[in-house]
Amino acid sequence: GAVVSQHPSWVICKSGTSVKIECRSLDFQATTMFWYRQFPKQSLMLMATSNEGSKATYEQGVEKDKFLINHASLTLSTLTVTSAHPEDSSFYICSAQGHRGNEQFFGPGTRLTVL
Amino acid sequence: RKEVEQDPGPFNVPEGATVAFNCTYSNSASQSFFWYRQDCRKEPKLLMSVYSSGNEDGRFTAQLNRASQYISLLIRDSKLSDSATYLCVVISFGNEKLTFGTGTRLTIIP
Repeated sequence: GAVVSQHPSWVICKSGTSVKIECRSLDFQATTMFWYRQFPKQSLMLMATSNEGSKATYEQGVEKDKFLINHASLTLSTLTVTSAHPEDSSFYICSAQGHRGNEQFFGPGTRLTVL
Repeated sequence: RKEVEQDPGPFNVPEGATVAFNCTYSNSASQSFFWYRQDCRKEPKLLMSVYSSGNEDGRFTAQLNRASQYISLLIRDSKLSDSATYLCVVISFGNEKLTFGTGTRLTIIP
């Protein structure tokens, strides 16, 4: 149990385009989902926390208008990178947390490359 | 000072050896501690939680030293499959956010 999927697993896009990444909890209801970003050889950095049906809470330094998060249901959250630029190229990972305990279950990640 | 600090390594260790690494945290209000493992280009996976009394899971032993604010991970009889980056993760009191260290890269050499 506790499987989290992400789609797409990798994406290459041109500078200026928008990219949507989906995060789904497949076998449990995720009350909270988290979005992380990881640059090469660096730690995972939390970008934002989203609770179903409410606005996401963004970490300091993360532009909410650039990284749009929607958590429309208990099993789906989306992250849209708007007007992507090469510096947005990174590994984006979501995690989901259910009702029981505070363990977070991670998705397999999405590798974004902006040309 | 970073909230969670780890020696990035790399640690290159012969198969069968014992290896240990530490992680220090700056927030004394931290309440939950974990070791995650991350393989190259993959998501992190929970290896073990770290309890005040220490805990052991097979070849892996984790310990917490609250006074000195560090946690440790010991791997005995290392296997080739242990090669990965080991991430120290901390949760602060009243906060559900995971704070990750930069990770310690371990390579087991045949």
